[in-house]
Amino acid sequence: DAKTTQPNSMESNEEEPVHLPCNHSTISGTDYIHWYRQLPSQGPEYVIHGLTSNVNNRMASLAIAEDRKSSTLILHRATLRDAAVYYCILSGGSNYKLTFGKGTLLTVNP
Amino acid sequence: KAGVTQTPRYLIKTRGQQVTLSCSPISGHRSVSWYQQTPGQGLQFLFEYFSETQRNKGNFPGRFSGRQFSNSRSEMNVSTLELGDSALYLCASSLSVGGELYGYTFGSGTRLTVV
Repeated sequence: DAKTTQPNSMESNEEEPVHLPCNHSTISGTDYIHWYRQLPSQGPEYVIHGLTSNVNNRMASLAIAEDRKSSTLILHRATLRDAAVYYCILSGGSNYKLTFGKGTLLTVNP
Repeated sequence: KAGVTQTPRYLIKTRGQQVTLSCSPISGHRSVSWYQQTPGQGLQFLFEYFSETQRNKGNFPGRFSGRQFSNSRSEMNVSTLELGDSALYLCASSLSVGGELYGYTFGSGTRLTVV
């Protein structure tokens, strides 16, 4: 499985933008970049995913580097409810699975 | 619309017993996956089903098994329970064939405690 590297933890202030980085230098051409987050005592929640182009949805934006070896999840205005572990995952081809790493623990300060 | 439903939410079993966990995917979702989450190992993939066929299996012993029914509902079974099987078991469903196009929706999980 292609591997991703994320910082163990990040901290942000409420209502400020947050940029969560992810490196995936061994990404293959068919791998989609997925982001999920897990709030305490809940199952993971889908945030966003993309292949080559930047993507936006109501939750976040995903900026993908031109060489696809890195990506950044952008939360435009962090709220206390965004405090969670964020996972960057590569998935594609005939994998039919998500391989979770340790993710980034995001702390949001009021 | 209703989300992914897992039952039961909590379960306590004794070593050596067996357990069956149930998952009802979102209506229309035909891909169902199972994951185990423990503090030490994090989230680990167990298996994935599509149209009643297991297409991928994680690195777990044969005591872990699953199946999917024609209505896409899925069950997983763990036989001869060990203390190390205590974990949160999560089910996820997807609209697309492999989740690449639409992502996976996870349930809240079944918390299994083996004593």
